[in-house]
Amino acid sequence: QKEVEQNSGPLSVPEGAIASLNCTYSDRVSQSFFWYRQYSGKSPELIMSIYSNGDKEDGRFTAQLNKASQYVSLLIRDSQPSDSATYLCAVKTPGSARQLTFGSGTQLTVLP
Amino acid sequence: DVKVTQSSRYLVKRTGEKVFLECVQDMDHENMFWYRQDPGLGLRLIYFSYDVKMKEKGDIPEGYSVSREKKERFSLILESASTNQTSMYLCASSLRQVDTEAFFGQGTRLTVV
Repeated sequence: QKEVEQNSGPLSVPEGAIASLNCTYSDRVSQSFFWYRQYSGKSPELIMSIYSNGDKEDGRFTAQLNKASQYVSLLIRDSQPSDSATYLCAVKTPGSARQLTFGSGTQLTVLP
Repeated sequence: DVKVTQSSRYLVKRTGEKVFLECVQDMDHENMFWYRQDPGLGLRLIYFSYDVKMKEKGDIPEGYSVSREKKERFSLILESASTNQTSMYLCASSLRQVDTEAFFGQGTRLTVV
């Protein structure tokens, strides 16, 4: 079983819709969760971090964390064509030598 | 701003050459990572380091080695480049503190011919 799993997609949504990206993780002691956006040919850039259960909102982005279910999600409201990218979920686990584990990413396409 | 700088954006090397990819960060981060990224395979960890002179194998270390002689610099070495090492290579760094993110360099697209 992979440590961090994401739906590989691709996921397509129409412009203006809500895009929902999901991530599950296997290590219950994981403490920090990150969403990165990666445009084609570019390096990943951080868009959201979340450390406690519940929702965290930043503009059109909302991260949701449920540690009991070992589940983290990213919602993008009013999706724009410029949101078309691959979204990577990352999990940081204390006590783990490598600490940081990435999912394989979900490719999102927002259709004009 | 945190800056992670990779020495080259694009590289073309010949099969059998020894290749050095350099990464420098300016924020005193303890952890540094080398990943390769190929279409459909996501980010795969090659090696990481959590301190000077410390290194740990990641998921795909075969054919690679690393060096971390100074805290700010983490080098990836391809001992004898092969065509299956053609890829995008990404360096990242982070603080050891658990509630901090990783920062990525701009990536090096390596082509081995």
